[in-house]
Parts: sequence; structure tokens; C-alpha cells
Amino acid sequence: GAVVSQHPSWVICKSGTSVKIECRSLDFQATTMFWYRQFPKQSLMLMATSNEGSKATYEQGVEKDKFLINHASLTLSTLTVTSAHPEDSSFYICSADPGTSGGSTDTQYFGPGTRLTVL
Amino acid sequence: GENVEQHPSTLSVQEGDSAVIKCTYSDSASNYFPWYKQELGKRPQLIIDIRSNVGEKKDQRIAVTLNKTAKHFSLHITETQPEDSAVYFCAASIGNQFYFGTGTSLTVIP
Repeated sequence: GAVVSQHPSWVICKSGTSVKIECRSLDFQATTMFWYRQFPKQSLMLMATSNEGSKATYEQGVEKDKFLINHASLTLSTLTVTSAHPEDSSFYICSADPGTSGGSTDTQYFGPGTRLTVL
Repeated sequence: GENVEQHPSTLSVQEGDSAVIKCTYSDSASNYFPWYKQELGKRPQLIIDIRSNVGEKKDQRIAVTLNKTAKHFSLHITETQPEDSAVYFCAASIGNQFYFGTGTSLTVIP
């Protein structure tokens, strides 16, 4: 149990275009999902906390207008990188907190990640 | 916010030896400390965790210790094997938000 999927796993786009990444909890409901980005050989940096039915909470330094987050259901959160530029190229990983619906409320289950390359 | 530091950044050990990775955190409100193993291009996998009301936890070859007063916690891997080679991240949690350390690249030499 506790499987999180991401789609796509790899995307290449041209500079100036927008890219949407989906994060789904497959066998549990997640009231809270998290989005991280990870540069090569570096740590996971928390970008934002996504709460179902409300606005996401962004970490300091993360542009909310550039990284649009929508958490429309208890099993789906999306991250849209708007007007992507080469410096946005990174590995984006989501995680989901099952909360009280199952498992420990401290637990986060990670998706497999999405590698974004902006040309 | 929380600041988590992790050392060393790289660690090489001979197969069968022990490996120790240390982390410090800044916010005394942090109450949950998971450790993740990440292989190249894959998702982080939880390997062990500890809560602030516990000083030590062990699971087979892996153990974690926590010193709340000093705000540091450590991962201990005994009898290392080549398949233990990966990047390890510590994290400190406030509420349900995780703040990760900078990672340790562990190489176990056969």
C-alpha cells in the first residue's frame, strides 16, 4: 500500500512553454501533498505544501505565480511550471501524507519524480 | 525555519565495516526525524525514523540515535554491504513539513 505516482516521469520542453506534472496517491487519500525540487547531487528542497481544497503554502523564495499548484481532489495534486526556462530544469518530486486516513500522520510517501529539461 | 545540516557529504567504507552519518537541526519544535535512502534517479525510501520522545531505535543493521538537548541525531549502519551504497538524507519534521539535510553519498567497497 501507500503508493504515489507521478506523471510524466520525464519531460523536455522549449523555453517559454508551460509544463504540468501530476502527483497521485493510488491507494490512499492524501489531504496534504508536498512538492520538492532536487538538483543533481543535492538535497530535496521543499517548494510548497499543497492542501486539498485550499491554496498551497509556498516556501520562502518560491514564486507562486511561476509554480502553480492545484490540489483539486484527495488523490491528485498538480504542479504547473509556467513559462519554463533552462534554470527550471530539475528533478521534481512529490510526496503525500496519508494523514488520519491511514498510516502515521508523520509519514510521507514519495513519488518517483519527474525530470524536467527545458531547452 | 528549520535548518538541517548533515555530515559527511561523502563516505566510503569497506564492506563489513560500520558507517555513521550525523545531522543537526536548529528548531527545538522538530519532533520527528526520518532517514531516507535514495538511489540514483529514484524516489527516496524511508529506512528508519525516530520521534522526539525516544532516544534510540534499531532495525536489524540500522540504528538511529537522537539527542534532543544537543539537537543532533545520527544514523548507524553496521556490517555494511555493497547494496547499501546510495545517498542518505536525514530530515527534521515540524508538523507535517520535512526539512532535509544535504545528503551523504555512501559507497561500500567490496
